Amino acid sequence: GAGVSQSPSNKVTEKGKDVELRCDPISGHTALYWYRQSLGQGLEFLIYFQGNSAPDKSGLPSDRFSAERTGGSVSTLTIQRTQQEDSAVYLCASSLSGTSGYEQYFGPGTRLTVT
Amino acid sequence: DQQVKQNSPSLSVQEGRISILNCDYTNSMFDYFLWYKKYPAEGPTFLISISSIKDKNEDGRFTVFLNKSAKHLSLHIVPSQPGDSAVYFCAAIPSTSGTYKYIFGTGTRLKVLA
Repeated sequence: GAGVSQSPSNKVTEKGKDVELRCDPISGHTALYWYRQSLGQGLEFLIYFQGNSAPDKSGLPSDRFSAERTGGSVSTLTIQRTQQEDSAVYLCASSLSGTSGYEQYFGPGTRLTVT
Repeated sequence: DQQVKQNSPSLSVQEGRISILNCDYTNSMFDYFLWYKKYPAEGPTFLISISSIKDKNEDGRFTVFLNKSAKHLSLHIVPSQPGDSAVYFCAAIPSTSGTYKYIFGTGTRLKVLA
């Protein structure tokens, strides 16, 4: 069966431009998570969706970051006015539920480079 | 404030020997601990987990040990195989978060030498 997919796999953008990163979770998974991994760092939690709502946005680093999820499926992470420190691998994960069944399945990530 | 720490960025082990990957944590309110494995250009994949009420969990060649008094977690791989070469992340789930939000360590790159 299909796993979590993310697009694009690589994105190079100029400082100050906006970018959108897409995540297609596993069908039937109600919970969706965004993480990022900066160079030499662990995976940093950004936001969690249960269905289309986001009960935990505590990891978003600034108001330039936003995310939405539609139809309980696809999610988009948007970074406005990108900065060089936004360069990282952005990983999406999904799980059956956000309140039980704790195994999260990860996508391959989007490598974002801000020049 | 790094709540989950993997102090060894890399580890090399001969094929057939034991690999021991370590993880320390600072928060006593973690419910579960997990290990994920990551190959280049792929997302992390789940390997093994342990509940905070247990001290050992075994799955084939992989065993996770939890020492709550020392706030220490370790993953043992026996025997190590070249295909085990990857980056290993430990992760913890805080019981107070209300969600299954993982807190990850920085990872340890394991290289198994043939």
